[in-house]
Amino acid sequence: QITLKESGPTLVKPTQTLTLTCTFSGFSLSTRGFSVGWIRQPPGKALEWLAHIYWNDDKRYSPSLKSRLTITKDTSKNQVVLTMTNMDPVDTATYYCAHGGPPFDYWGQGTLVTVSS
Amino acid sequence: EIVMTQSPATLSVSPGERATLSCRASQSVSSNLAWYRQKPGQAPRLLIYAASTRATGIPARFSGSGSGTDFTLTISNLQSEDFAVYYCQQYNNWPDIFGQGTKLEIK
Repeated sequence: QITLKESGPTLVKPTQTLTLTCTFSGFSLSTRGFSVGWIRQPPGKALEWLAHIYWNDDKRYSPSLKSRLTITKDTSKNQVVLTMTNMDPVDTATYYCAHGGPPFDYWGQGTLVTVSS
Repeated sequence: EIVMTQSPATLSVSPGERATLSCRASQSVSSNLAWYRQKPGQAPRLLIYAASTRATGIPARFSGSGSGTDFTLTISNLQSEDFAVYYCQQYNNWPDIFGQGTKLEIK
C-alpha cells in the first residue's frame, strides 16, 4: 500500500526559505519507473504543479517557479524534499506530494503553509 | 505552455442524474489527460487517466472520453459524494497543467 505524508513548517515569514519533506512508503525511488511530484493549492483556488523527481534523479520544475524551487530525494529514508526560496504571502497554500508518472494516483493529505510576518 | 480550460465553472445537477464536464487543451495532448475529484478538505483523487481509463477502485459510473484537445468526464447516477470539484490535468508535455476546476453542486 502506497502512502505519502508531507511535513514542514505551518508558518513562514516573507523572504524566508520553505523546506517541505514528503515521507512515503509502499515504493522505492531507487526502483525504475517510480516518481514523486509536488503540487500546491492556495485557499479556494485551483491546483498548481510545482516539481517532479524520478527514480533516475531526473527533475522537472514549473517554469514560473523554477528559479525558486529545488527538489531532491533521499532513497535511504524514502523521502523527497522540496525547498522554495524567497517566500511571499501569495505562496500561502496547501502543499501536496503525490506518487505518479504523472498522473498522480496517490496523494498525501497536504500541509497548509501560511506566509505572514 | 499548454492552457487547460474547464467548463462550466459550476454545474448544478440533481442526485441520480448525469453530469457532463468538459476540458479543452490549447494544443493537442494526445490521450495524456487525467481527471481528479476533490472533496472539501481532502486531497484530490485520481478518477480517470489516459483520457478514458478508470483508476483503481473507481466505479463504472465514471467515464472519460476524448483525445487531442477536447475531453469529457461523464458521471452517471450522481451520488452525494460526487458533489465536489473536478480537475483535469494534461501530462503530455512539461509542465504539467491542471485546469481551473468545475464545481459540481446539488441542484
